[in-house]
Amino acid sequence: GNSVTQMEGPVTLSEEAFLTINCTYTATGYPSLFWYVQYPGEGLQLLLKATKADDKGSNKGFEATYRKETTSFHLEKGSVQVSDSAVYFCALRSQTGANNLFFGTGTRLTVIP
Amino acid sequence: NAGVTQTPKFQVLKTGQSMTLQCAQDMNHNSMYWYRQDPGMGLRLIYYSASEGTTDKGEVPNGYNVSRLNKREFSLRLESAAPSQTSVYFCASSEALGGVSYGYTFGSGTRLTVV
Repeated sequence: GNSVTQMEGPVTLSEEAFLTINCTYTATGYPSLFWYVQYPGEGLQLLLKATKADDKGSNKGFEATYRKETTSFHLEKGSVQVSDSAVYFCALRSQTGANNLFFGTGTRLTVIP
Repeated sequence: NAGVTQTPKFQVLKTGQSMTLQCAQDMNHNSMYWYRQDPGMGLRLIYYSASEGTTDKGEVPNGYNVSRLNKREFSLRLESAAPSQTSVYFCASSEALGGVSYGYTFGSGTRLTVV
């Protein structure tokens, strides 16, 4: 079946620190992969995506590379800001079966000044 | 502002009561979804509608019903609320099923408590 496993949170970093949030997946075929972000009191927003192996998605200084050999899609940012404090969700859309998004459990990031 | 509008934002129900959560989108999207978000479990799909006139069960449909009233509106009904349905409910939409091109657009959520 389809599933997404994210690193457990919460994660607390100082401003300007390097961020990595791990995400691995299980899926048949060649899924599309996404990172969504949820700011306090809001719905989820698409942060970035990658639709095939070795693609790199990027947005707002965040990056993630689709690694088929390790079935991973880790989120990284070189220098986090207080405004990056949010919950981050990794998700996949399978190529087969029901074409819906499957979400990970989310990782809460808090950035302190 | 373009987007997904959910009502109400907060609701408290007694066990056994019924209610309908409303969702409307103004982006001319074909597909709409209802998710619930619970601590430590991420988002789980309740029902979805690939296009106007169709609805399908997701991962956790028991205790819920849906109606795709027209292209804009997709409602979620709890016929007899149970404490296990205490959750935050999100409606989302996408131009096509799965939202590969542009992702999903989410509403701001409905926080439901069943006592």
